[in-house]
Amino acid sequence: DIVMTQTPLSLSVTPGQPASISCKSSQSLLHSDGKTYLYWYLQKPGQSPQLLIYEVSSRFSGVPDRFSGSGSGTDFTLKISRVEAEDVGVFYCMQGIHLPWTFGQGTKVEIK
Amino acid sequence: EVQLVESGGGLVQPGGSLRLSCAASGFTFSNYWMSWVRQAPGKGPEWVATIKHDGSEKYCVDSVKGRFTISRDNAKNSLYLQMNSLRDEDTAMYYCAGAPAGVGHRLGYWAQGTLVTVSS
Repeated sequence: DIVMTQTPLSLSVTPGQPASISCKSSQSLLHSDGKTYLYWYLQKPGQSPQLLIYEVSSRFSGVPDRFSGSGSGTDFTLKISRVEAEDVGVFYCMQGIHLPWTFGQGTKVEIK
Repeated sequence: EVQLVESGGGLVQPGGSLRLSCAASGFTFSNYWMSWVRQAPGKGPEWVATIKHDGSEKYCVDSVKGRFTISRDNAKNSLYLQMNSLRDEDTAMYYCAGAPAGVGHRLGYWAQGTLVTVSS
């Protein structure tokens, strides 16, 4: 199974400040079709996960442009340009190149 | 508006069975691969099973093979998860989730979750 490792595991951020989360996979997520199947989800307290970013850097419908994704191969980053109070929750990366699809352990973001 | 509404969770004894259902609306269900993802208390999400848009192929995690069966009825816009021989470690919130055909891992639509508790 592909192991997804996120750092840090928790983050305390002042509103308006940037934040960055790293995700590393144990194998390359680059598919033979040229796409890289790395996803970012946010699970707000008491809610189901919601898709933020797909295929490394594409924002899902309705996701604010303060969220951006980057990376390639096995190293990926989610950046929030200016954290807002509504961004509180746990962020997960997930790989979709090999079954079983696997998630990172999560990064808990709280507001200072 | 996209809606996924689950039902069927509850308390069951080890070795017992449950059938989860997920009713979809607001999108063309038959064009979407559907999945079940679970989350044990205090843990991260775990992918459980996926079924292609036309039901032609199914995939599941090794820990549920031979015990859980994913199915769908496109005429009823519904997804199901038949869970047999339940174990303590199957205790979790179960979410159904949908993704466009061909990119089944792009889980853009999620239900609110239904809790399954396996305990004697």
